[in-house]
Amino acid sequence: QKEVEQDPGPLSVPEGAIVSLNCTYSNSAFQYFMWYRQYSRKGPELLMYTYSSGNKEDGRFTAQVDKSSKYISLFIRDSQPSDSATYLCATGSGGGADGLTFGKGTHLIIQP
Amino acid sequence: NAGVTQTPKFQVLKTGQSMTLQCAQDMNHNSMYWYRQDPGMGLRLIYYSASEGTTDKGEVPNGYNVSRLNKREFSLRLESAAPSQTSVYFCASERGGGSSNQPQHFGDGTRLSIL
Repeated sequence: QKEVEQDPGPLSVPEGAIVSLNCTYSNSAFQYFMWYRQYSRKGPELLMYTYSSGNKEDGRFTAQVDKSSKYISLFIRDSQPSDSATYLCATGSGGGADGLTFGKGTHLIIQP
Repeated sequence: NAGVTQTPKFQVLKTGQSMTLQCAQDMNHNSMYWYRQDPGMGLRLIYYSASEGTTDKGEVPNGYNVSRLNKREFSLRLESAAPSQTSVYFCASERGGGSSNQPQHFGDGTRLSIL
C-alpha cells in the first residue's frame, strides 16, 4: 500500500496564528518524510526533509514525524499572508527508484 | 540557479496531435521523473528514469512515452493527444543513486490543454 492522506482544505487562519498541517500514511516501511510548498502556477518547492521519527525546526517551520502513529505534521509559527499556498507531504521507503509518494495537498489561506 | 527547466510553459493541442515536453536539469542529478497533476488527484507519476539510459513506467504511463536523452534531459511525448491528457505536467530530478530517498526538485510545469 502506498497511500498518503491529507485533508485538502481549504484551511483559513488569521495572520500571526500557528498553523498545523497533517498527513497520515499506511506503509510502515516509509522512513523519509518531506514537506513541499506549492504556489499557484508554480512547481512544488522543498520546505523540510526529515528521516525517521522526531522533530526538525527551520525558522518558523517545524516538521514532526510520529512513526508509531504513522502521522506527520508541519507547524508554521507567526503565519504570514505569503504562506498562503498548497502544502504537500511526501514520503518514501528508501532506495526505490520510483521515488516518493505524495499526498494530494492542503490548501492554506492566511488572512491579513 | 536554473535547477529544472521545462518547455513549453503552455500548450494547446487538438485531439490526435502529438507533442514532446522537454525537461532539463543542471544539478548533475541521476534520477528524473515526469508527473501529472490534476485537481483532486494530486501528483501522479507517469514515468521515471533512475539513471541515464534507463526508464520505467510509473502509475499512469498509458498514452505517453519518454526518452532520457542524456544525464541532463528527459522528454515526455504524447503520440496522439486525448482530452483526458489535459493536465499540468511537472518534471522533477533527484540526486539518486543511493539507498535513501532524497528530495526531488521540480520545474514550474507545462500547462497542456487538449481540445
